[in-house]
Amino acid sequence: EVQLVESGGGLVQPGESLRLSCAASGFTFSNSWMTWVRQAPGKGLEWVANIKPDGNEANYVDSVKGRFTISRDNAKNSLFLQMNSLRVEDTAVYYCAKGARYPDVWGRGTLVTVSS
Amino acid sequence: EIMLTQSPATLSVSPGERATLSCRASQSVSSNLVWYQQKPGQAPRLLIYGVSTRATGIPDRFSGSGSGTEFTLTISSLQSEDFAVYYCQQFNNWPPLTFGGGTRVEIK
Repeated sequence: EVQLVESGGGLVQPGESLRLSCAASGFTFSNSWMTWVRQAPGKGLEWVANIKPDGNEANYVDSVKGRFTISRDNAKNSLFLQMNSLRVEDTAVYYCAKGARYPDVWGRGTLVTVSS
Repeated sequence: EIMLTQSPATLSVSPGERATLSCRASQSVSSNLVWYQQKPGQAPRLLIYGVSTRATGIPDRFSGSGSGTEFTLTISSLQSEDFAVYYCQQFNNWPPLTFGGGTRVEIK
């Protein structure tokens, strides 16, 4: 069974950092583009970033460029999102998803709350 | 960045009735559009890709159509489990991938 499990969310203050993780199983992780998508409370979906299978190319939405870094460890079937200089508007459920152009498998998400 | 506009924002439908959801793109996305379903408290689930191809396990009461800038998701006979929020998403011109604002299908 293809499975993605996110972790690492929590409550932080503006300006602080957080690192999200996503554990993948049931598919060949090292051959797959991976993506982070977020959803603010009561709002729609927003693509955040994705990363190539070998980790050598990544793309970001403009609002997180320079603050967030997506990375992966193919040996551990894991995806990461390092989030620095967090803002109140980054508050959202963050989903890990498999695929580049249209993610076809999603995790259950992890909630990040940025508040003072 | 390509903007996707979904209408209506909310659709009230009785079980067994047909639902028609619209997604309009700010410029052509060719056939590079997909649909997701999201139920409360759950992750989105891929419904339709390539405009009209159902993802694995999706019943045939779901169908997609359109090209260019105008797309439609049709649910032929709504079942109780179909009441959810539906999002379209384009990948013709990325990054970024962009999503529509969603259509909530609720019980009438």
